[in-house]
Amino acid sequence: GENVEQHPSTLSVQEGDSAVIKCTYSDSASNYFPWYKQELGKRPQLIIDIRSNVGEKKDQRIAVTLNKTAKHFSLHITETQPEDSAVYFCAASPNDYKLSFGAGTTVTVRA
Amino acid sequence: DGGITQSPKYLFRKEGQNVTLSCEQNLNHDAMYWYRQDPGQGLRLIYYSQIVNDFQKGDIAEGYSVSREKKESFPLTVTSAQKNPTAFYLCASSARPFDSPLHFGNGTRLTVT
Repeated sequence: GENVEQHPSTLSVQEGDSAVIKCTYSDSASNYFPWYKQELGKRPQLIIDIRSNVGEKKDQRIAVTLNKTAKHFSLHITETQPEDSAVYFCAASPNDYKLSFGAGTTVTVRA
Repeated sequence: DGGITQSPKYLFRKEGQNVTLSCEQNLNHDAMYWYRQDPGQGLRLIYYSQIVNDFQKGDIAEGYSVSREKKESFPLTVTSAQKNPTAFYLCASSARPFDSPLHFGNGTRLTVT
């Protein structure tokens, strides 16, 4: 099955700086790559997703890039704010089959 | 919070007892899922259902059972055979299986002593 590795496990950034989280996947058939944000004590919520026919997608301060050849994808958060502090999960799904999640990255934005 | 309702929020049980976690959705989604969340391990799939009266095992189905008698409901039973049942359980639904956004419930934290 699909195996997704996520790094780093924790990330501390100064408010206003950028944050980057990287994920690698094992199944070359994976074609759907969502990112979820989970604030403390709350449910995970989708923040952005990308499909394998697209190399990059942006939504305001959040962007995701996909490198199919290297089998990795990354989340970029620019101009970080305190409300960006949360746990972020990447995931990958091969051919509309089971979605596999990374272990998560705890992001702390320092004021 | 509309969409997915999980109850209860906290659940305590004695070892050896079966317990059922409730999950209801009003999003008219065909696909529903149960995930288990443990610290440092991300979200692991227990069971999923793509349509009423059908469900499939996920990656960690041992010790769990589900039913899907109605489109809106997907209850999870944690049986006494589950060796380490204490965890945070999340129910989710999506319009299409696995390639569309998951809508999660608020979760149930189960503690077994």
